[in-house]
Amino acid sequence: NAGVTQTPKFQVLKTGQSMTLQCAQDMNHEYMSWYRQDPGMGLRLIHYSVGAGITDQGEVPNGYNVSRSTTEDFPLRLLSAAPSQTSVYFCASRSDRLLYNEQFFGPGTRLTVL
Amino acid sequence: GESVGLHLPTLSVQEGDNSIINCAYSNSASDYFIWYKQESGKGPQFIIDIRSNMDKRQGQRVTVLLNKTVKHLSLQIAATQPGDSAVYFCAENNQGGKLIFGQGTELSVKP
Repeated sequence: NAGVTQTPKFQVLKTGQSMTLQCAQDMNHEYMSWYRQDPGMGLRLIHYSVGAGITDQGEVPNGYNVSRSTTEDFPLRLLSAAPSQTSVYFCASRSDRLLYNEQFFGPGTRLTVL
Repeated sequence: GESVGLHLPTLSVQEGDNSIINCAYSNSASDYFIWYKQESGKGPQFIIDIRSNMDKRQGQRVTVLLNKTVKHLSLQIAATQPGDSAVYFCAENNQGGKLIFGQGTELSVKP
């Protein structure tokens, strides 16, 4: 049981480039989410999904797209990277859409946009 | 606005002492709170949670206290160990499934 996995661990992009951050979980969790973490700040919710085919926006969705075609995968797309998107990105999942279950986090992707 | 914040950004304690990390929240409608531990280079790890119908919950060496009157949450770590050194975040649920995180407190344990 690998839990929540994220790839890549590190990425450097130039302004305007696009890329996809991958996230997968093997726990059959319905609920998945993406956060970004900036220095001196807590995690901020970008997008989330309560099940395959369903996604919604969080606090800071601008500049990011998501899709949820399967229960296991929840990729995050940056369409045109900007320096303001330099951050550490965490994917998380939990067992159902009810909140009262432990949320598991992946190891993170550290993204630098030049 | 709605926010979750920690009173102290850093906390230094002696090994073996008890640690208390504090958190203030602003939304009285929040019904669920979680403490996470984040070690350097890793994702947050669940420590303990508490629902708003409780005022205290205990785990192994950790206790969370919730004071809804003043909208305050605290994490107590007994007999703090070097392995407890990390950043600790509180998070609140204030909108059905969306967690709002505080800034974090860095706990440093001196041997």
